[in-house]
Amino acid sequence: DQQVKQNSPSLSVQEGRISILNCDYTNSMFDYFLWYKKYPAEGPTFLISISSIKDKNEDGRFTVFLNKSAKHLSLHIVPSQPGDSAVYFCAASAPNSGYALNFGKGTSLLVTP
Amino acid sequence: NAGVMQNPRHLVRRRGQEARLRCSPMKGHSHVYWYRQLPEEGLKFMVYLQKENIIDESGMPKERFSAEFPKEGPSILRIQQVVRGDSAAYFCASSPGGTGGRSYNEQFFGPGTRLTVL
Repeated sequence: DQQVKQNSPSLSVQEGRISILNCDYTNSMFDYFLWYKKYPAEGPTFLISISSIKDKNEDGRFTVFLNKSAKHLSLHIVPSQPGDSAVYFCAASAPNSGYALNFGKGTSLLVTP
Repeated sequence: NAGVMQNPRHLVRRRGQEARLRCSPMKGHSHVYWYRQLPEEGLKFMVYLQKENIIDESGMPKERFSAEFPKEGPSILRIQQVVRGDSAAYFCASSPGGTGGRSYNEQFFGPGTRLTVL
């Protein structure tokens, strides 16, 4: 039962342009959302998070948008850089879930020069 | 390096053997989580522990898998009588825990242990 869905397995973007990674969720109890970045043979690295009381959070080149009514969030990277090429995981947690993170299957981003 | 440490990085076992995976959390972190990633899948939560306590093991298979986080030493994920379906990457994460905000949700991950069962 996949409660967090990333429907695009891959995305290719030119350097300098905007990358938009999407994530949908089904559990209305989720109230905290995170994005992780993962390189091959490494563990996920925390990027940015957002609480359900907000609809936007920004950190440098990374911005996360949350649309609670649509149960949708997105990660914007602008400008995209070749070093951003990695797999990006969306994750969510609920206050009654024992702190477990529910992950999507990931989107592989390729930023080309 | 104050990051989450996992060892071994790669582990090969034959069917029926035992696998022991170790995780040392970041300094100052008292909460440990184990996740499993099967090929082409996202990470799946297995278990959440604090020192000497299992807080949530809802994602742990009921048989052959166990986890501990002793007062001293690393957290251990133990898989008995491994089968081929146990082949996966196992990630450990840690967080500071405590009160005051959702910092406990910002889990910091180790590099993972890749288990191969022959």
